[in-house]
Amino acid sequence: DQQVKQNSPSLSVQEGRISILNCDYTNSMFDYFLWYKKYPAEGPTFLISISSIKDKNEDGRFTVFLNKSAKHLSLHIVPSQPGDSAVYFCAASALTQGGSEKLVFGKGMKLTVNP
Amino acid sequence: DTEVTQTPKHLVMGMTNKKSLKCEQHMGHRAMYWYKQKAKKPPELMFVYSYEKLSINESVPSRFSPECPNSSLLNLHLHALQPEDSALYLCASSQDTDSGHRGTEAFFGQGTRLTVV
Repeated sequence: DQQVKQNSPSLSVQEGRISILNCDYTNSMFDYFLWYKKYPAEGPTFLISISSIKDKNEDGRFTVFLNKSAKHLSLHIVPSQPGDSAVYFCAASALTQGGSEKLVFGKGMKLTVNP
Repeated sequence: DTEVTQTPKHLVMGMTNKKSLKCEQHMGHRAMYWYKQKAKKPPELMFVYSYEKLSINESVPSRFSPECPNSSLLNLHLHALQPEDSALYLCASSQDTDSGHRGTEAFFGQGTRLTVV
């Protein structure tokens, strides 16, 4: 049972245009959401996060939107650059009973930005 | 230093072997994690250590044995693995939640590509 879903396996956009990556979740206990980017042969690297008490967080070309009632978040990259081509993972975080933070990842989406 | 270093990068082991994966960070993070990632799948949490104590074990088989000898090091001891255990094993670290940090980024290592033959 997937708690974090990225339903589109891939996306291809032209350089300079907007990339929109979507993510849905099912568990209401998640209270932080994060996006990670992964290049081949490297570990995931953190991009941006958002708390469940906010609906938008912006960092340079990256903006994450959260619709809590729909249990949906999206990552907008504008303008897209060829160097953004990578696999993007959506992740959701919840605190466990022991006080540790647990991250659950989506399957990832491969973004290709064409020059 | 914002690196998480994992060794070895690649490991091939037989089903009767005993081996260990190592992970090191010097960011002062007190939460450390092991994830397993199979091809075309998301990273799946295996273990979480918080302040050198095991706080989460995601029902991982006992042939995987984690160890946190100090706040900078995390090991994963492997024994009697099966071919289906072949995967990328990722270590990560983050600031602890006790000090109020939530949703802060976890830094990942490059991973160890494990092949069990």
